[in-house]
Amino acid sequence: KAGVTQTPRYLIKTRGQQVTLSCSPISGHRSVSWYQQTPGQGLQFLFEYFSETQRNKGNFPGRFSGRQFSNSRSEMNVSTLELGDSALYLCASSLDTGHGNTIYFGEGSWLTVV
Amino acid sequence: DAKTTQPPSMDCAEGRAANLPCNHSTISGNEYVYWYRQIHSQGPQYIIHGLKNNETNEMASLIITEDRKSSTLILPHATLRDTAVYYCIALIQSSGDKLTFGTGTRLAVRP
Repeated sequence: KAGVTQTPRYLIKTRGQQVTLSCSPISGHRSVSWYQQTPGQGLQFLFEYFSETQRNKGNFPGRFSGRQFSNSRSEMNVSTLELGDSALYLCASSLDTGHGNTIYFGEGSWLTVV
Repeated sequence: DAKTTQPPSMDCAEGRAANLPCNHSTISGNEYVYWYRQIHSQGPQYIIHGLKNNETNEMASLIITEDRKSSTLILPHATLRDTAVYYCIALIQSSGDKLTFGTGTRLAVRP
């Protein structure tokens, strides 16, 4: 069974540009969530999608956005990139039964902003 | 979700059991306790989770106290590959999958 797949794995962008990251959840999983990890702030929750609707949102500026498609695949977008957006972006998925779901993470997308 | 408290670092000898504690004194009745680990900034790896009862799988055992205010993750025979940062997280799953990570425990397994 394939795990959570994130693309691209590594990318370099310039300040002011925008970036789109993609996440394919485990087959059958309906909940997809995104996290940002930086050395200074640790692992922080960005947002969660379920059935194409954003269900939870973390404390990030509006430059960070996401969406989920009908096949549960998800994308996140960061516009007007800043140096501080350099981070490991992680996607996680679960079946979302509402009772003790196992939540699995992908390997992440490393974003460097120069 | 309840705040969890973990020691910043621990070590154990290879082949011995590693017992990682977690305090979650404000946990509510419908909050699960989840454990993840992260090696060299790879994606966090799911280890185990539980609500009230002790749980065991092929990776580890989770012991939750009767009052649910604390728990212990047990790696029965630690190897060098178990060196990682371990995170204990409390989650009300009916509100969605919003994991709040703390700073975790950095476990070093000594040869």
